[in-house]
Amino acid sequence: AQSVSQHNHHVILSEAASLELGCNYSYGGTVNLFWYVQYPGQHLQLLLKYFSGDPLVKGIKGFEAEFIKSKFSFNLRKPSVQWSDTAEYFCAALFNAGGTSYGKLTFGQGTILTVHP
Amino acid sequence: EAGVTQSPTHLIKTRGQQATLRCSPISGHTSVYWYQQALGLGLQFLLWYDEGEERNRGNFPPRFSGRQFPNYSSELNVNALELEDSALYLCASSPVDRWAPNNEQFFGPGTRLTVL
Repeated sequence: AQSVSQHNHHVILSEAASLELGCNYSYGGTVNLFWYVQYPGQHLQLLLKYFSGDPLVKGIKGFEAEFIKSKFSFNLRKPSVQWSDTAEYFCAALFNAGGTSYGKLTFGQGTILTVHP
Repeated sequence: EAGVTQSPTHLIKTRGQQATLRCSPISGHTSVYWYQQALGLGLQFLLWYDEGEERNRGNFPPRFSGRQFPNYSSELNVNALELEDSALYLCASSPVDRWAPNNEQFFGPGTRLTVL
């Protein structure tokens, strides 16, 4: 079955540090990939998405992600984090596997990012 | 543009009762999705409705059901509530293209269901 996994459950950084959150998926076909963020007390918001084309995608708030097909990965990066980036980050995928895969966002377990000022 | 709205914000029920959760999609979106975010289980897909029809269903028992109305709003019903149904229920919407059914989904704030 298709799945998404995130490597880190909790990441703690100081402000201005660089961030990379890992995400891998298991599926050999085409896939649409997303990173969502959930700030404390707020709803899930889309950070960025990859459907096709340039594998390096830029999102809001200075985040970017790189799709590496050979590694089945879609890691999220930010060169310099801020205290306001403290949140839970979810990698998610829509697998284009036909039939019952449509519309079904599959989420990773989530990574809690804590940024200390 | 108004986002996805959900009601109620919180819902407290006792075991065996029924719960009804409501969702209004973003204007122009025809698809509505339901997800469960339970502690320790992460976000799990429940249901997808489009144009009034159930299009896909996650691995949940039949006591989880719903419907979509002509105005594209949706209801999630959970019958015979169990303690483990306590979770945040998220609704999302998207503008589905028949030829590209896997569009991005926009989420609402959720309904926190507590089963006592």
